[in-house]
Amino acid sequence: GQQVMQIPQYQHVQEGEDFTTYCNSSTTLSNIQWYKQRPGGHPVFLIQLVKSGEVKKQKRLTFQFGEAKKNSSLHITATQTTDVGTYFCAGDSSNTGKLIFGQGTTLQVKP
Amino acid sequence: DTAVSQTPKYLVTQMGNDKSIKCEQNLGHDTMYWYKQDSKKFLKIMFSYNNKELIINETVPNRFSPKSPDKAHLNLHINSLELGDSAVYFCASSQRGAQNTQYFGPGTRLTVL
Repeated sequence: GQQVMQIPQYQHVQEGEDFTTYCNSSTTLSNIQWYKQRPGGHPVFLIQLVKSGEVKKQKRLTFQFGEAKKNSSLHITATQTTDVGTYFCAGDSSNTGKLIFGQGTTLQVKP
Repeated sequence: DTAVSQTPKYLVTQMGNDKSIKCEQNLGHDTMYWYKQDSKKFLKIMFSYNNKELIINETVPNRFSPKSPDKAHLNLHINSLELGDSAVYFCASSQRGAQNTQYFGPGTRLTVL
């Protein structure tokens, strides 16, 4: 079945450093979504990418969708303590709404 | 205003008991989901309903039975609870055909003793 792998599992950074998490799917995706889950909270939608090679920015966050629509990345520039949480990618290969989530990358930021 | 709500927030129970979790959304969405998040934070879809019709039914023990009385509500009943059922259960909703952005409820932390 479809699998979505995400690395790294954990990342500890000093405040102000950059952070990147990578997502790879075993199948071509119709779209990929990114969610953030704060400690003790629930996943919250960040963004969706649909087009091959698409790049979207949200302030210090940059999201990319690979040319083959099988991989994606989230890059945070100059991390802040408010960035702490677990970042999930979620792929939809059949446009059915069935999202397969990656394992998540948990980001810790030292002030 | 709460978009997706779940009750209860915490549920502690003994092995072998039967329990239910309720979910309601006021976003006007037509699709609702149940996810299980284990201790390693892995999120796995269990079920999905679209307009009260079951459309996603993953490999889940038949002790788990979802019910959708209307498109704003999706409940999850679990029979004969086992230790391995301990997890956080999230309800989510989306509008099918749109971005399928999923809005998650606050979660129900189930602990089976």
